[in-house]
Amino acid sequence: DVKVTQSSRYLVKRTGEKVFLECVQDMDHENMFWYRQDPGLGLRLIYFSYDVKMKEKGDIPEGYSVSREKKERFSLILESASTNQTSMYLCASSLKGGGLSHTDTQYFGPGTRLTVL
Amino acid sequence: AQKITQTQPGMFVQEKEAVTLDCTYDTSDPSYGLFWYKQPSSGEMIFLIYQGSYDQQNATEGRYSLNFQKARKSANLVISASQLGDSAMYFCAMREWGGSNYKLTFGKGTLLTVNP
Repeated sequence: DVKVTQSSRYLVKRTGEKVFLECVQDMDHENMFWYRQDPGLGLRLIYFSYDVKMKEKGDIPEGYSVSREKKERFSLILESASTNQTSMYLCASSLKGGGLSHTDTQYFGPGTRLTVL
Repeated sequence: AQKITQTQPGMFVQEKEAVTLDCTYDTSDPSYGLFWYKQPSSGEMIFLIYQGSYDQQNATEGRYSLNFQKARKSANLVISASQLGDSAMYFCAMREWGGSNYKLTFGKGTLLTVNP
C-alpha cells in the first residue's frame, strides 16, 4: 500500500513565523504535490515536483515555496505566515506515468490543519 | 468555467440503499482521466475509482461503480448497499493528459450522509 505521511496533523503558528510542512512517501513516486483545501473552494494546487530539485508552480503559489532534496520528501514552506494561510494542507504523490492509466492516481497524506493567529 | 461540477452539495441515503453522486466535466483534451476520492471527517483523501477517457467499460471497484457517459461529459459515482462508514465528502477530479504538471482539478465535493 502507498503510504504518504505528513509531519503534523494540527499546527498553530503566529503571523510572521516561518512554517515548514513536511511530507514523506514510501513508494518511490516521482511526482509529489501540495494542495490546500478551503471550504467552498475545494482543493487547489500550490506546487508540484516531478523530480528531485525540480518544481513547478500550481494555481496558488504566492506566499509559498517548496523544497525537494530527496525523492521521498517534499516540503512546503511558508516564509512569513499570514492569517489567510490558515487552511488544510494536503500532500500527494504519484508515479510519473507517461500514458493514460490508473497508475497516474495521486495518493494523499492525512493532511495538516494549519491555523495562523 | 468550472472544469469539474458537482451539483449536489449534500445527499442523504438510507443504509443498504444505492446512491448516485453526480459529476460533470469540461475539457477539450481527448485524453483524460477521471477520479473519485472519499474524504472522511478525519481529513485524508482516499482514492476510490478511476475511469480513463478511452476505457470502453465503466469502472467498478467493489461497491463503487462509475457511470461514464462520455458524450454527456458525466462521470457519476454509484455506491451500492450504502454503509454508515460511507458518510463522507466525495470529490470528483480530472487529469488532462495535455497538461504539463499532472495536475488534478477537483470539484467542490458532495457531502454524503448515510442514515441508519
